[in-house]
Amino acid sequence: QVQLQESGPGLVKPSQTLSLTCTVSGGSITGGRYFWSWIRQPAGKGLEWIGRIDASGSTDYNPSLKSRVTISVDTSKNQFSLKVNSVTAADTAVYYCAREGLWGGHDASDIWGQGTMITVSS
Amino acid sequence: DIQMTQSPSSLSASVGDRVTITCRASQSITINLNWYQQKPGKAPRLLIYAASSLQSGVPSRFSGSGSGTDFTLAISSLQPEDFASYYCQQTYTTPYTFGQGTKLEIK
Repeated sequence: QVQLQESGPGLVKPSQTLSLTCTVSGGSITGGRYFWSWIRQPAGKGLEWIGRIDASGSTDYNPSLKSRVTISVDTSKNQFSLKVNSVTAADTAVYYCAREGLWGGHDASDIWGQGTMITVSS
Repeated sequence: DIQMTQSPSSLSASVGDRVTITCRASQSITINLNWYQQKPGKAPRLLIYAASSLQSGVPSRFSGSGSGTDFTLAISSLQPEDFASYYCQQTYTTPYTFGQGTKLEIK
């Protein structure tokens, strides 16, 4: 079955760019009508939807982060990626990648990666 | 953005109890409402989609209801593995937003 796995640096310095990759295994990123999304969760807090991309490269972003975020897809590697520019301590969180599909005609995230902790600190 | 408000923020209950968690949207989202369960250190797990549809593999003691702005997640007979945090999410319009979460603890 489809599985997602995030990878990234763990520690990022303030003002630098956070880069994460999500590798899709067990299925093709181009198979089916899915969006591939990023969600984050600061320690002890709730979930924040960052944005999503489909296999054709069409994106949606959270306006609260849009000026600093880029999501891209590499179908040849079966991966999608997240970049967050000009990070601050407020970007410290567990970052999840997830698959969004249409369930009963409505979007829902049915498959999630295990999450990767990103700390912004000098 | 659509604001999602869950209540209560925390809840203590015993094995075998029936519990309900509510989620209110700041505007109508028809039935574009999902429920997730999250255990410590783990990713969220989809329980309910489209307000009332049970995701494959989820026990039937979980149920969802509601439409418009008011929604409910019910667990009919709590099992030890159900003690976790629960989040609602609206997928009516982007940016998709989550409730603040409800932590279900053992009494």
